[in-house]
This record gives sequence, C-alpha cells and structure tokens, in this order.
Amino acid sequence: DIVMTQSPDSLAVSLGERAAINCKSSQSILYSSNNKNYLAWYQRKPGQPPKLLIYWASTRESGVPDRFSGSGSGTDFTLTISSLQAEDVAVYYCQQFYTTPTFGQGTKVEIK
Amino acid sequence: EVQLVESGGDLVQPGGSLRLSCAASGFTFSGHWMSWVRQAPGKGLEWVASIEEDGTEKYYVDSVKGRFTITRDNAKNSLYLQINSLRAEDTAVYYCARRNDFQNWFDAWGQGTLITVSS
Repeated sequence: DIVMTQSPDSLAVSLGERAAINCKSSQSILYSSNNKNYLAWYQRKPGQPPKLLIYWASTRESGVPDRFSGSGSGTDFTLTISSLQAEDVAVYYCQQFYTTPTFGQGTKVEIK
Repeated sequence: EVQLVESGGDLVQPGGSLRLSCAASGFTFSGHWMSWVRQAPGKGLEWVASIEEDGTEKYYVDSVKGRFTITRDNAKNSLYLQINSLRAEDTAVYYCARRNDFQNWFDAWGQGTLITVSS
C-alpha cells in the first residue's frame, strides 16, 4: 500500500493569512502515460462528512473557492489556503488513487 | 441534489454481525462505482470496499477481506455492507461514498453511521 503522510498534524493561522498543508506519498503517484498526479484533497468540518476539494493534485472541484489550491508532483504535494476564512476551520486529508485508495492522517486547521 | 443516507449502525458484541445500508438519490445510482470508507475514533479515513456499477467487480482493504461483503441493488438505489465477525478495531463511523466517474476519488459522501464493537 502507498502510505500518505501529512504535515503538520495541526496548524493555527490568523484570519486572512496563508495556510499550507503538506502531503508526502511513499512512492510516486505520477502516472507517466498521462502526466497526472493521482491525488485528491478533502475538507472535513466538525459534524460533517468529508468534502472533495481538489483532484488530479491541482484541479478544484466545482464550487470550491479559489482560495484553495493544490500543487506538487511525484511524491510531494501541498494544499494552500491563500487567505484563511473562519469557515475553513476543518481537518484536511490527502488521498492517493494511484492504487487502492489510501488517505493521509489529516491536518487540523484552526484560527490563531 | 446528490444524497447518500446511511443506516444500520449499532452497538454490537465482538464476533457479531451487522448490515449497513446506504440509500442514494439525486443521481443515476446504476452509473457509478460506490464505496464504503470508515473513520475510527481519533484516526484517519480508511477506504474499506468498492463495487462496480453492475455489482460484478468488488474490492476490499486487506483487513476486512473474508468478513465484509459489499453489494448493491440498483433497482432500489441502495448500497449495502454486510459485516461479519466484528472486531473491536472495526469500531468506526462508516461512510457511503460515490466514486468519481473515472477514477478512485470520492465526490459525494453520506453523513455516516456508527458501529461500536464492544462487550
């Protein structure tokens, strides 16, 4: 199985400031034939199920605010919230779909 | 609007069995792979099982093979998970999730149903 490791486990950011969450895979999840990274990001707010934010490492799901962006390739990826809003308080998960799906352990984002 | 509503979670003794259900609406259920994903208390998300559109192909995480069975009834727009030989480590919220049309990411989730395995 591909192991996904996120860092940090939690971070506190001031409103309006940038938040960055890292995700590292134990092997490359870049498929050479289509040059796509098989990575998705989810947001899980308290009491709610996960919500898809990004797929193919950098493609935003319809309706997701553009302050959320994904980057990276191969084994190292980043989810960036450009200007943190109060409603962004949540736990964020990365997930690879290169092989049978596996998730990172989650990163809790709070307001400083 | 896509809706997935799970039911069937309960407090069960170790070794017991349970059947989870997921009622789907707002989309063409028979046109999508469907999955179960769980989250144990204080832990991360874990994919459990997936089933192809017509129910012929099924995949499971190694830790549940031989104990869990995923099925679907497209006429009833419903997904199921039969869980046997329950263990304490199966304690979790179980989510029904719709797989994307093309790849193994999950673009719709239910609210989840809780299974607690305890004597």
